[in-house]
Amino acid sequence: QKEVEQDPGPLSVPEGAIVSLNCTYSNSAFQYFMWYRQYSRKGPELLMYTYSSGNKEDGRFTAQVDKSSKYISLFIRDSQPSDSATYLCAMRLTGGGNKLTFGTGTQLKVEL
Amino acid sequence: NAGVTQTPKFRVLKTGQSMTLLCAQDMNHEYMYWYRQDPGMGLRLIHYSVGEGTTAKGEVPDGYNVSRLKKQNFLLGLESAAPSQTSVYFCASRKTASNQPQHFGDGTRLSIL
Repeated sequence: QKEVEQDPGPLSVPEGAIVSLNCTYSNSAFQYFMWYRQYSRKGPELLMYTYSSGNKEDGRFTAQVDKSSKYISLFIRDSQPSDSATYLCAMRLTGGGNKLTFGTGTQLKVEL
Repeated sequence: NAGVTQTPKFRVLKTGQSMTLLCAQDMNHEYMYWYRQDPGMGLRLIHYSVGEGTTAKGEVPDGYNVSRLKKQNFLLGLESAAPSQTSVYFCASRKTASNQPQHFGDGTRLSIL
């Protein structure tokens, strides 16, 4: 069993839809949680960065962390074709500053 | 503002050949990382460095060597390339403070025939 599980998709939604992307994890010691967006043939780009449980909002993006369920989510409101990319969740331990554990990524396509 | 720059962007090698991938960052970051990305496997850490002159093994270090002679550069070497090393290689860097995220380059696509 992988430490971080993420549905690979692909996920196809119409423009304007609310998108929900999720990851589950098994190591309860993870404290820092990240979402990266990766366009084709590009490097991962940091979208959201949260510490411990709770919600964080940035424009159309909201990240949620539920440590009791070992579950994190990324919501995208009013999705746009430019949101079409692969979304990677990542997490690491407190003090484990050198190692990020990544999910395999969910491929999202937002269609006109 | 270049950020993290990787060279080359693409390379095809024959089995047994050697090569070096270069990562350069202009953000004065202490920490640097090399990952490989394979379908269905996610990003996996190969080696990392917490400062000039230091390196450490990550999750999948076998078959690779690294050097950090200058703070801004992190080199990844393949001494004798194998087909299993066909992958996309990403370099990342970050500031020392524990709450700082990693910033990635755009990758090197490497094929070993």
